[in-house]
Amino acid sequence: DAGVTQSPTHLIKTRGQHVTLRCSPISGHKSVSWYQQVLGQGPQFIFQYYEKEERGRGNFPDRFSARQFPNYSSELNVNALLLGDSALYLCASSLRGGSTDTQYFGPGTRLTVL
Amino acid sequence: DAKTTQPPSMDCAEGRAANLPCNHSTISGNEYVYWYRQIHSQGPQYIIHGLKNNETNEMASLIITEDRKSSTLILPHATLRDTAVYYCIVNGNYGQNFVFGPGTRLSVLP
Repeated sequence: DAGVTQSPTHLIKTRGQHVTLRCSPISGHKSVSWYQQVLGQGPQFIFQYYEKEERGRGNFPDRFSARQFPNYSSELNVNALLLGDSALYLCASSLRGGSTDTQYFGPGTRLTVL
Repeated sequence: DAKTTQPPSMDCAEGRAANLPCNHSTISGNEYVYWYRQIHSQGPQYIIHGLKNNETNEMASLIITEDRKSSTLILPHATLRDTAVYYCIVNGNYGQNFVFGPGTRLSVLP
């Protein structure tokens, strides 16, 4: 079975640009979460979506936004990119997004901001 | 801040058991303990989770103390491919906003 897929795998942008990252959850999973992982640190929670509704938001500026589509795939958008946004962006999916549901992570998108 | 404390690094000889400790002294009654690992620049891989009973699957065993304030992940026969950063997470919130700490960097040595 296919796991969580993310696209693109790598991306290079310049400061001030915007970026859209995409995630397809495991078939049957209705919840998607996004995490940012800066080099040398653990992943940091950005958003969780369940049934197209935002269920949780981490401590990130409004430049970060996301949405979930009827097929449960999701997009993460980042506007006005800063050098500090360079990171591995991870998507995770779970069945219902509850605290007892296991999250399964995708391979991530490596974003480099120049 | 992460609700867990783990040693920053550990070494283990290939073929021996790797025992990775985690302290979670402020864990509350409805919070689960999750373990993930991350091999260089890949997405975190789920290993195991538990509430209060010991758990075992094909990858590892999870031993949770009776007071639930600490746990140990056991990889019974470590291989070189088990070299990774291991994260211990506690979560019981309505959502799934996992709070990752820096984890333990396990090096399996030949």
